[in-house]
Amino acid sequence: AQSVTQPDIHITVSEGASLELRCNYSYGATPYLFWYVQSPGQGLQLLLKYFSGDTLVQGIKGFEAEFKRSQSSFNLRKPSVHWSDAAEYFCAVGAGSSASKIIFGSGTRLSIRP
Amino acid sequence: SQTIHQWPATLVQPVGSPLSLECTVEGTSNPNLYWYRQAAGRGLQLLFYSVGIGQISSEVPQNLSASRPQDRQFILSSKKLLLSDSGFYLCAWRPPGEGYEQYFGPGTRLTVT
Repeated sequence: AQSVTQPDIHITVSEGASLELRCNYSYGATPYLFWYVQSPGQGLQLLLKYFSGDTLVQGIKGFEAEFKRSQSSFNLRKPSVHWSDAAEYFCAVGAGSSASKIIFGSGTRLSIRP
Repeated sequence: SQTIHQWPATLVQPVGSPLSLECTVEGTSNPNLYWYRQAAGRGLQLLFYSVGIGQISSEVPQNLSASRPQDRQFILSSKKLLLSDSGFYLCAWRPPGEGYEQYFGPGTRLTVT
């Protein structure tokens, strides 16, 4: 069965520093992979997705992620974080027929140190 | 463009009372629809999903039910709420077909007292 692991529950980085959020997935074939962001009390917003092709994908708000099949990873990166990036980040993998369902990781809460 | 609405935004209900949360999508047809619950500080738990009118799949057996009376309307219900039903309920939609991402509504905060 498909699953997603986000090993870091909470990360704090300084404003302007680089960021990498880890994500590992379990899936038998080429997965559909997603990163979503959630601000407190709000719904989820899609940051980026990987379906096929170039393994380095660019998203909104300056985020990027790299698909590494050999490591079953899809880590999210940003070269320089801003205070507004403080939020909860969820990695997810498509599941089921036509990837009609999405399995979410437990999330990583990002705090920004001024 | 497509938009998704959830109503109400917040709700406080006593234990044992009924529940009805509504989700509507505009600007698309025949979407897949989803209900998730997010407990405080936790990830998302898929509760129900629907690929068409009257077609509901339940992911977790529990005190809740879902219905899809119209193509772009998805309703989450309960006959008698439990304390453990408290949480943040999110509705989402995606186009039918292969591998599309889901788009989320603003959510409903439910507190059962």
